[in-house]
Amino acid sequence: AQSVTQLDSHVSVSEGTPVLLRCNYSSSYSPSLFWYVQHPNKGLQLLLKYTSAATLVKGINGFEAEFKKSETSFHLTKPSAHMSDAAEYFCVVSGSSGGYNKLIFGAGTRLAVHP
Amino acid sequence: NAGVMQNPRHLVRRRGQEARLRCSPMKGHSHVYWYRQLPEEGLKFMVYLQKENIIDESGMPKERFSAEFPKEGPSILRIQQVVRGDSAAYFCASSPGGGGRSYEQYFGPGTRLTVT
Repeated sequence: AQSVTQLDSHVSVSEGTPVLLRCNYSSSYSPSLFWYVQHPNKGLQLLLKYTSAATLVKGINGFEAEFKKSETSFHLTKPSAHMSDAAEYFCVVSGSSGGYNKLIFGAGTRLAVHP
Repeated sequence: NAGVMQNPRHLVRRRGQEARLRCSPMKGHSHVYWYRQLPEEGLKFMVYLQKENIIDESGMPKERFSAEFPKEGPSILRIQQVVRGDSAAYFCASSPGGGGRSYEQYFGPGTRLTVT
């Protein structure tokens, strides 16, 4: 079975400082991993995805994530936070071995960015 | 190319009424997924459909919930005899294919159901 654990429910940073959102996964086969962002009362937007190509994945808005198999981690980072980055972030693993994307979501990390 | 459309965006129902949530996938997408987000939680998979077929409904509650994706028209998530615990945001996603784990799912804006 597949699962995702987001290690922090809330993260607070100052504008211009680095962002680190932590995610560990469990998967019985080579996983596809995703990070989605959800702004208040909005839908979800894909930030980036890992599908067994390069382990360092670059996404939109300056975000990137590194797949580390030995640590079963897929942490999301950004060098410099912007006020507009304040949102809920979800780490997601593809949960089906049946050839389709049944997405398994983590509980989410709420990112606050202070001036 | 319009994104995934969901309507209504907000729906208020009294206990015991029926709720119908609609999802129009992106143009060219024939695979639809429904997810539910309870307050302060992540999204939980409910059901995966292709045109006229339910492929995986392992996340659907056994009673009162049903989903369809007819040959013509939007996908419908139907909740009969709603209870307060059904209050949540319901998201629909679509993808161009189902085979292969790399297909991205495009999410709609969600329908926020409130049961009073």
